[in-house]
Amino acid sequence: DQQVKQNSPSLSVQEGRISILNCDYTNSMFDYFLWYKKYPAEGPTFLISISSIKDKNEDGRFTVFLNKSAKHLSLHIVPSQPGDSAVYFCAAISTGANSKLTFGKGITLSVRP
Amino acid sequence: ETGVTQSPTHLIKTRGQQVTLRCSSQSGHNTVSWYQQALGQGPQFIFQYYREEENGRGNFPPRFSGLQFPNYSSELNVNALELDDSALYLCASSLGGLAGGSKETQYFGPGTRLLVL
Repeated sequence: DQQVKQNSPSLSVQEGRISILNCDYTNSMFDYFLWYKKYPAEGPTFLISISSIKDKNEDGRFTVFLNKSAKHLSLHIVPSQPGDSAVYFCAAISTGANSKLTFGKGITLSVRP
Repeated sequence: ETGVTQSPTHLIKTRGQQVTLRCSSQSGHNTVSWYQQALGQGPQFIFQYYREEENGRGNFPPRFSGLQFPNYSSELNVNALELDDSALYLCASSLGGLAGGSKETQYFGPGTRLLVL
């Protein structure tokens, strides 16, 4: 039962353009969402997060949008840079006792110079 | 300040054997979480330790067990290894535990890649 879904396994964009990475979830108890970035041979690194009480959070070139009614979130990277090429994981959490991070399968982003 | 380290980096075992993976958390962190990442999948939560006590567990059988030590380093033990246990095992440290609210400050180690033959 995949509660966090990243249906596109890969995305390729031109340097300088916008990258849009999508994520859907099924569990309505999730109230906090995170994006992690992973390079080969390294552990995931936290990128940006959003609480369910917000619909947008921005940090530099990275913006996360949350549509609670559609149970959908997206990560926008603009402008995209070759160094952004990595695997991006969407994760969700239901805060409270014994909470755990639930991850999607990840999207491989390639930014072409 | 040292980051999260894991040992060994790679390991090959045969079915039925037992394995112990180790994690040193980031300085000052009192919470360690373990994840299993199978090929082509996202990390799956195994369990979390907060101040030496188990503080949450995912859908993994009892043959997956763990320990956290007074210095907050941690071990993941897997008994009776099965072929499906082949995966990347990730450890993440944080301050305060998941329920405490420090959600975004989980720092991951590079992982241990386990192959079960």
